[in-house]
Amino acid sequence: EDKVVQSPLSLVVHEGDTVTLNCSYEVTNFRSLLWYKQEKKAPTFLFMLTSSGIEKKSGRLSSILDKKELFSILNITATQTGDSAVYLCATASNTGNQFYFGTGTSLTVIP
Amino acid sequence: DTAVSQTPKYLVTQMGNDKSIKCEQNLGHDTMYWYKQDSKKFLKIMFSYNNKELIINETVPNRFSPKSPDKAHLNLHINSLELGDSAVYFCASRNRPGTGNTIYFGEGSWLTVV
Repeated sequence: EDKVVQSPLSLVVHEGDTVTLNCSYEVTNFRSLLWYKQEKKAPTFLFMLTSSGIEKKSGRLSSILDKKELFSILNITATQTGDSAVYLCATASNTGNQFYFGTGTSLTVIP
Repeated sequence: DTAVSQTPKYLVTQMGNDKSIKCEQNLGHDTMYWYKQDSKKFLKIMFSYNNKELIINETVPNRFSPKSPDKAHLNLHINSLELGDSAVYFCASRNRPGTGNTIYFGEGSWLTVV
């Protein structure tokens, strides 16, 4: 059965800390991995990763995919209270229609 | 303009009632989805439609019936609501495979069954 597992389930850090969120997957017909940030409402798109070893970066956030070991990490440096959210990892299939989501990592950044 | 919009945003209803949630996307996407998010934030796919045709139908009670009148709309009708149906229901859409693998979510419909 296809699955996407995220760790840790929750994390509390102080402002300025660096965090690493993990996502591992066992999915048939894997095509790409996506990261989303969910605050109070809808998940918002952060990154899509298709190739191994190529880091995607957006400000203080960066992510990388390892297709051999079947995992991805999301790094957030110099965390701010506005980074507090649930971070969701999802895989997309080759057909492009099926997306599997992990259980999410709840990040709380305290001042 | 909201790209994927759902109504209602909040719904509180009694067990046994029938309710519908509507979804519309103005992105010109071909594929639409319904996801259910439980209290632990796990997003589980329920249905997917591509150009009005059902392509994914996960193990969901047949009290849930999706309807896609056209490719911009995907509605979800729920019969005989149960307490366990309380959740956030997200509608989402994506473009044709090969033109981008990102799905866009609506803002969610918070359903509470009492």
